[in-house]
Amino acid sequence: AQSVTQLDSQVPVFEEAPVELRCNYSSSVSVYLFWYVQYPNQGLQLLLKYLSGSTLVKGINGFEAEFNKSQTSFHLRKPSVHISDTAEYFCAVSETDKLIFGTGTRLQVFP
Amino acid sequence: ETGVTQTPRHLVMGMTNKKSLKCEQHLGHNAMYWYKQSAKKPLELMFVYSLEERVENNSVPSRFSPECPNSSHLFLHLHTLQPEDSALYLCASSQGLTIVGNTEAFFGQGTRLTVV
Repeated sequence: AQSVTQLDSQVPVFEEAPVELRCNYSSSVSVYLFWYVQYPNQGLQLLLKYLSGSTLVKGINGFEAEFNKSQTSFHLRKPSVHISDTAEYFCAVSETDKLIFGTGTRLQVFP
Repeated sequence: ETGVTQTPRHLVMGMTNKKSLKCEQHLGHNAMYWYKQSAKKPLELMFVYSLEERVENNSVPSRFSPECPNSSHLFLHLHTLQPEDSALYLCASSQGLTIVGNTEAFFGQGTRLTVV
């Protein structure tokens, strides 16, 4: 079975600083990878997804992620964060008919 | 607003109560899901419905009983719950069962359940 590891449970960062949220997955076969964001008191919203093709995927709100097959990673990055980016971020991998999620990373942006 | 609406947003129930969570999607999707989100744990898939038929049940205790009367509505009936069942319950829908390709799962805002 697939699994997803998000090593950082919390990432504090100052506004306008760059940020990277790490995600590693376990799989030796082709995978589809996703990042979801959950704002306070909200459901999950898709940020971006990797299906095939270019390993650099651009999503909404200025986020991007890079698929690295050799390192089985799919880290999420943003060059300059805003206060409004404060949220929980979930990495997920698809398995047949369902999504397998990581435990989430809480991004806290300080002014 | 994602097109998936869950009610109620918050629910407090005793261990002997019976309650139901409701999910409604306005997206014309044919697959719906229940997820449980507990603190410090990955989201857990509970149930999957495709074309109103249950296609997956991930070893969920029988005190949780899903119902999908049509492709737009999904319920989660709760009875004799335990305090450890307190969590955020998220509903999602997608067009097509497999969440790949152009298919995307749309989530509701969740129901925050507290069992006392």
